[in-house]
Amino acid sequence: EPEVTQTPSHQVTQMGQEVILRCVPISNHLYFYWYRQILGQKVEFLVSFYNNEISEKSEIFDDQFSVERPDGSNFTLKIRSTKLEDSAMYFCASSEGDRLSNQPQHFGDGTRLSIL
Amino acid sequence: GDSVTQMEGPVTLSEEAFLTINCTYTATGYPSLFWYVQYPGEGLQLLLKATKADDKGSNKGFEATYRKETTSFHLEKGSVQVSDSAVYFCALSDAGSYKLIFGSGTRLLVRP
Repeated sequence: EPEVTQTPSHQVTQMGQEVILRCVPISNHLYFYWYRQILGQKVEFLVSFYNNEISEKSEIFDDQFSVERPDGSNFTLKIRSTKLEDSAMYFCASSEGDRLSNQPQHFGDGTRLSIL
Repeated sequence: GDSVTQMEGPVTLSEEAFLTINCTYTATGYPSLFWYVQYPGEGLQLLLKATKADDKGSNKGFEATYRKETTSFHLEKGSVQVSDSAVYFCALSDAGSYKLIFGSGTRLLVRP
């Protein structure tokens, strides 16, 4: 069964450094998402992306965050200047259609980001 | 705003016991409802879904019925196995939004 793959599985970065988290969505999917889960807290929506632009973002997704689909397969999340509170598990997801088509989101295994 | 509330865990059961994990939601529209499962060291996997009132989602022996009158989507399984040990997340997506809103997750531990 096709799956969403994320790399790396664990990223350790110094505070203030830039970090890029990478995802390869399922190949025929058109909608892409990032979520995060701070330890002990709920899974929170960050951003959705369709047709090479952001379709929705949360208040968490401020100017420090950006997303990109640099080629036909990868989908990346960049944090420009990391803060301690960015430490979390980051999940990428993709779906074939949007909510109106009732197509579910499929998730990767996550990247654990640790900011020192 | 929209929200999902799940019962606190952990839930500890013996093998072959009956499972219920409660989930209630608050939404302004008519959401779709989901249960996701996270096995140790893995990502979130869709377990089942329901898109309108009175729909029943089912998969791998798990069931949940979309109850609009009680705004609930409780997860049930008649006989759990050790391999069902995982964290279970209830989630909704509302009309006009791309995002999933998750509950806090309920850890299930099944003992042999």
